[in-house]
Parts: sequence; structure tokens; C-alpha cells
Amino acid sequence: ELKVEQNPLFLSMQEGKNYTIYCNYSTTSDRLYWYRQDPGKSLESLFVLLSNGAVKQEGRLMASLDTKARLSTLHITAAVHDLSATYFCAVDPYSGGGADGLTFGKGTHLIIQP
Amino acid sequence: DTGVSQDPRHKITKRGQNVTFRCDPISEHNRLYWYRQTLGQGPEFLTYFQNEAQLEKSRLLSDRFSAERPKGSFSTLEIQRTEQGDSAMYLCASSSNRDSSSYNEQFFGPGTRLTVL
Repeated sequence: ELKVEQNPLFLSMQEGKNYTIYCNYSTTSDRLYWYRQDPGKSLESLFVLLSNGAVKQEGRLMASLDTKARLSTLHITAAVHDLSATYFCAVDPYSGGGADGLTFGKGTHLIIQP
Repeated sequence: DTGVSQDPRHKITKRGQNVTFRCDPISEHNRLYWYRQTLGQGPEFLTYFQNEAQLEKSRLLSDRFSAERPKGSFSTLEIQRTEQGDSAMYLCASSSNRDSSSYNEQFFGPGTRLTVL
């Protein structure tokens, strides 16, 4: 059974600081996704990582994937209050042509304080 | 088409009643997924359709749950004889396997929040 673990689960940080959220998963996969969820809202797709060494950046967020270590990171640079949300990583257990439902981590609840 | 839509957004029901939710995916997407999310947790996969075929069902999907996607367009999720433990947000997502650069990137709808009294 695929397990996806995120840490930390809760993070309070100050504006302007940098931090990294970690996502470990238990089985071979080369498809990993990051989502953002605001309170009471649905999930917004942030990044799609489809190969070992993939790195994607959008604004103050950068995501990377190391399939050998089964690890993805989401790095926040110079945090601003608008980035406060819950961030989920999700793994697709299939490689190749198949597809399946995603397995999500428990989420990292991020609060950025002025 | 602006995204995945779900109806209703909120549903309150009494234990033992049946409920049905509807999901309309992004029009060009051939894959449709149902997830359940409880407070403080990540979404949990329930079932998945490719076109009209239901290809995968999670062990979370008990025999009280049934999903359909007639004609490969919208989908319905029915819960029979609801229990208090069914209270959750039910999320629908859709994706397309036609774009290799974002393979299986799933776009989520706003969800249906179910409360079973």
C-alpha cells in the first residue's frame, strides 16, 4: 500500500523567511503533484512533477522531485501572507501508460505571520 | 467551460437516507475521479472512470456507495443508507491523458459537503 508522508504537518513562519516542506512516499513512482487548499475551498493544482530531477518554479514556490530517494520538496522563498494555506503532495502510483487515483499526504498547514 | 462543477454544494440528511451527488467534469477530460476528504486530512481516493468505464474502486467504497458515468460525461455518486461516518467533503476531479506534459494532472471541483445527522 502506497504511503505518502508530509512534514511538517503544521508550520508557522514569519513573512520574508524561507522554508521547505518535505514529501516522502513509499513506492516507486515518477508522478508527483502539489496542491494548495484554502480553508473551505477545493484544491488548486500547483505543480506537476513527472520525472526524476524535475524542478518547477512559480513565483515564490519551487518544487522538486527525487524519485530515487522517493522525496519531493516544496520550497518557499521570502514568504508572504498570501501563501498561508494547506499544501498537499499527492502521488500517482502508476508509471507508464496507466493511471489511478492519487494518494495524498495529510497536508502541511502553513501560517505566515507579518 | 470554466472548470469542474459539483451539485449540490451542501447536503444535510438524516441517518439512513439515500443521497446522490453530481459532478460535471471539464468538457474535454476523459477521466473522472471521486475522493472523500474529512477534516484535517488529505483527500482519499474512492473511484475512477475513464470515459464511461469504471476502472478502479478503492476498498473505502463500501457496497452502500455506487458511482456511474453514463455516456462518459457527468457522473453521479450515490450513498445508500447514510451513516454518520459518511459525513465528509466529497470531491470530484477530472483529467486528460491526451497532454503528456501534465499527465493525469487532476483538476478538482468545489466539493459537496455532506452532513449526516
